[in-house]
This record gives sequence, structure tokens and C-alpha cells, in this order.
Amino acid sequence: NAGVTQTPKFQVLKTGQSMTLQCAQDMNHEYMSWYRQDPGMGLRLIHYSVGAGITDQGEVPNGYNVSRSTTEDFPLRLLSAAPSQTSVYFCASSYDPSGVYEQYFGPGTRLTVT
Amino acid sequence: EDKVVQSPLSLVVHEGDTVTLNCSYEVTNFRSLLWYKQEKKAPTFLFMLTSSGIEKKSGRLSSILDKKELFSILNITATQTGDSAIYLCAVDSLIQGAQKLVFGQGTRLTINP
Repeated sequence: NAGVTQTPKFQVLKTGQSMTLQCAQDMNHEYMSWYRQDPGMGLRLIHYSVGAGITDQGEVPNGYNVSRSTTEDFPLRLLSAAPSQTSVYFCASSYDPSGVYEQYFGPGTRLTVT
Repeated sequence: EDKVVQSPLSLVVHEGDTVTLNCSYEVTNFRSLLWYKQEKKAPTFLFMLTSSGIEKKSGRLSSILDKKELFSILNITATQTGDSAIYLCAVDSLIQGAQKLVFGQGTRLTINP
């Protein structure tokens, strides 16, 4: 049981480039989410999904797209990277989107946009 | 707008000291408050609190929630260098049928030997 996995661990992009951050979980969790963590600002919700085929925006969705074609995978796409997207990105999952459950976090992806 | 505020933002103490970390919140549709510990990588779960006045304990760590005054504290007694980490407070609310976690800024705790 690997839990929540993320790839890559580190990435450097040039402004304007696009890329996809991968997230997978093997716990059969319905709820998955993406956060970014910036110094002094805690974690902020980017997008979330309550099940395959269903996604919605969080607090800071601009510049990011998501899709959820399977229960296991929830990739985050940066369409045209900007220096303001330099951050650490965490994927998380929990068992039931409407239940009171803890969220399990992946190890994170550190992204630098130059 | 939902808000979670932690204090202090940074704390440096000596090994063996007791520390108290604070978390206050203003959130609609409150369901629970969670504490996470973040060392170098992913946040790891410590406690979930849903009811006022009931202390949760795990070893040297304990936490309690006050839903009337809208705050929680995390206590760590007899601190050790391994307790050095960022401690995150998050509040879980239900919005449009889905869980939403709102995080505080975190408290960076440093334990010196």
C-alpha cells in the first residue's frame, strides 16, 4: 500500500512552458485534492475532486487544470507556467468527500519557474 | 471568508520544555479541526477534534477544542529535538457537499538540545 504518490519530486520550468504533475493513490479514496504551499501562507486549495469525472475549483485555481478519469489518478496541469507558480505542490486524498475524515498527503513536488 | 490563524508563527525552545501552539478560526459549516506535523515532506496527521472540551492525547502531545471561543491548542510536553517541525492547523468545512480544508500559516517549532 503506497498511499499517495507524486511525480516528479523536483521540476524546473521556464516561463510559458507547460507540464503535468502526477498524483496517484491506491487506497480507493473518492476525494482527491491539490494544494500549493508557499512560505508563510500555509496550504491553499487549488482544485479538488469528489469522484471520477467530477472536479471543482478551490481557493487558487487560476493557471491550473485538472481532470479525474479514474479513482486512482488526479493529475494537475500547468498550462503556461509563470514565476508566481513557483511553490511546493501537495496532492491529498480522503475516503469520503462528504464524511469527516483526515486527508492523506503525498510527498510533494517542488516546482521552480524561471 | 473562511480564516484560520496560528500563533506563534515561530517558536524556539530548549529540549525538555513544554510548548503550547494556538489555532483560532472563523469558518462556516465547521465540522472538525485537524492538526498535522510537517517535517521535511508531507504533512502527517496528528489529531482530529470535533467536540469541545474533549482532550485528545498521543504520548507527549495533546490537543483540545473550544467551539464556543473558536480555537484549539496543541500542547507538547518534555519536548525532544525530533519534535522540531512545522505544525499545521486546518479546519474542515462542508461546502457544496464536499470536504474543504482551510489551513493556517503554520507554526515553525525548533527544539534546541
